[in-house]
Amino acid sequence: EVQLLESGGGLVQPGGSLRLSCAASGFTFSSYAMSWVRQAPGKGLEWVSAVSGSGGSTYYADSVKGRFTISRDNSKNTLFLQMNSLRAEDTAVYYCAKPFLMASLDAFDIWGQGTMVTVSS
Amino acid sequence: QSVLTQPPSVSGAPGQRVTISCTGSSSNIGAGFDVHWYQQLPGAAPKFLIYGSTNRPSGVPDRFSGSKSGTSASLAITGLQAEDEADYYCQSYDSSLSAHVVFGGGTKLTVL
Repeated sequence: EVQLLESGGGLVQPGGSLRLSCAASGFTFSSYAMSWVRQAPGKGLEWVSAVSGSGGSTYYADSVKGRFTISRDNSKNTLFLQMNSLRAEDTAVYYCAKPFLMASLDAFDIWGQGTMVTVSS
Repeated sequence: QSVLTQPPSVSGAPGQRVTISCTGSSSNIGAGFDVHWYQQLPGAAPKFLIYGSTNRPSGVPDRFSGSKSGTSASLAITGLQAEDEADYYCQSYDSSLSAHVVFGGGTKLTVL
């Protein structure tokens, strides 16, 4: 069964850091670009970042560029999101998501259960 | 403010047909990029509903269908059922933004 399992969320103070992980199973992880998508409480979905299958190319939304870093460890089938200089507006459920097609960045057919990040003093 | 515009809410009675629109621009839907749709039940992760503007993944009932024309796309749901009550999101790719992947603001479907 194809699965994504996020971890690492929690409560952090403004200006702090957090590292999210997403453990993948059931598919050839290194063949797919992977993304992080977030959802603030009561709000819609917002794409945050993506990384190519090899890890050599990364993409960021303007709202997180320079503060967040996406990476992956294909030997451990794990996706990461390092979040620095966190702000209250980063408070959200963070999902990792797998695209339907190997050659695609989007059209996410598999989502994790999400991990909650709360930025508050 | 989302790059793709959806109505905040739609409603319909059981058995009826509803449509949800998704309006973009010449840098996303109008540029020929595919539109994908997701269903999100309360408290759950999004579920993949339509890909490539018109295609249903395995397991999605044929009551759900998608279309695209010009700078807009639509999701149609026929034979409405109570379990269809959820939030629906369109998603595409945008060539003008560093964000690349863009979502609509979401539409809350209420089954009356």
